[in-house]
Amino acid sequence: DIQMTQSPSSLTASLGDRVTITCRASQSISSYLNWYQKKPGKGPKLLIYAASILQSGVPSRFSGSGSGTDFTLTISSLQPEDFASYYCQQSHSVPPFTFGGGTKVEIK
Amino acid sequence: QVHLMESGGGVVQPGTSLRLSCAASGLDFSGYAMHWVRQAPGRGLEWVSFISYDGNTKHYADFVEGRFTVSRDNSKNTLYLQMNSLRAEDTAVYFCARDGWTAVTKYYFDFWGQGTLVTVSS
Repeated sequence: DIQMTQSPSSLTASLGDRVTITCRASQSISSYLNWYQKKPGKGPKLLIYAASILQSGVPSRFSGSGSGTDFTLTISSLQPEDFASYYCQQSHSVPPFTFGGGTKVEIK
Repeated sequence: QVHLMESGGGVVQPGTSLRLSCAASGLDFSGYAMHWVRQAPGRGLEWVSFISYDGNTKHYADFVEGRFTVSRDNSKNTLYLQMNSLRAEDTAVYFCARDGWTAVTKYYFDFWGQGTLVTVSS
């Protein structure tokens, strides 16, 4: 099975900061990498799929990049509603549909 | 407007059973594969199960070990997860999610419910 490793596991940032979260796959997954946002008490929300495609309705401050084993989610200017947890997920070799361990973005 | 709503969670004792439901509206339910994903308290997201659009293909996470069965009733726009022999480690919020698969992008979970809490405790 492919393992997904996210870093950092948590970070603190201020409004307006540029935030970068990384995700590494244990083997090449081409561009089959998705990113989700999760807030307490709510279902996850798809942000980015296929590494770089912005889901409809998601603000353009979110972007994704990468291929092979290394991927990045970037929030260009952190907004109050962006404080949440973020998860990557591989869809190259399934099942299982493996998620990363998550990154919690907190207010500085 | 796509809406997925889970139900059926509750507090149960170890070794007992529970059936979760996920009612779908605002989408062509019968045209999409579906998933169950869970999140244990203080933990990350964990994929549980997959079912194809027609119910003919099913996959499960290794930890299921034959205890869970996913099914769907396309005439009722409803997804199910029958969970037997529940363990304390199955305690989690369970989410259903639609799979927006395409040949180019492969699998991604584009719509999710709010989740239903399952607590397994004696």
